[in-house]
Amino acid sequence: QVQLQESGPGLVKPSETLSLTCTVSGGSISSSSYYWGWIRQPPGKGLEWIGSVYYGGTTYYNPSLRSRVTISVDTSNNDFSLNLSSVTAADTAVYYCARHHSGSVLSELDYWGQGTLVTVSS
Amino acid sequence: QPVLTQPPSASASLGASVTLTCTLSSGYSNYKVDWYQQRPGKGPRFVMRVGTGGIVGSKGDGIPDRFSVLGSGLNRYLTIKNIQEEDESDYHCGADHGGGSNFVRVFGGGTKLTVL
Repeated sequence: QVQLQESGPGLVKPSETLSLTCTVSGGSISSSSYYWGWIRQPPGKGLEWIGSVYYGGTTYYNPSLRSRVTISVDTSNNDFSLNLSSVTAADTAVYYCARHHSGSVLSELDYWGQGTLVTVSS
Repeated sequence: QPVLTQPPSASASLGASVTLTCTLSSGYSNYKVDWYQQRPGKGPRFVMRVGTGGIVGSKGDGIPDRFSVLGSGLNRYLTIKNIQEEDESDYHCGADHGGGSNFVRVFGGGTKLTVL
């Protein structure tokens, strides 16, 4: 069974770049069968989709975040990463990585990581 | 893009049934919606996808038969029968919209289910 684990700094200063990695185990990230995504949840609020990536490099980003987001895949390490630039306190959230059910970005997110809390503060 | 509206809270007694509702904004009655369960302190877990014809595809891994879905008009329902303590969770609905550079996945605000 596939497992996903987020990792990265828990504290980021305003205006800096938030960088997280999602390590995938129990399956190959370079399988043509899946997209991989990032989702966040501000404290006490609902989920917000950030973006998704295919192992070949095709990406989809939330239009509200597109100017600040980069998602990439590292097939050699079997992981994928999120970079969010120019962060503010509004970016404080639990960040989740997840797998789409198929090789279409339209498929459901069927496996999720445990999440990692990132706080933006000086 | 659609707006998904969920009541912030719901409650049900142990062993009873409850139906949670996710309402799509006007004009999006043909959209499918995904239901996710999020237990306290955990990542979300896929429950199932629902359209106007009912379930689309398969349930998520380990989702018991007590969980079922229905779709009607702008509403997408998740019903839980014989509620157990382990069902106490936040339940989120989500939907896809658009394509290409305009693609976006949106979520409702979530419903917190309390088991009495």
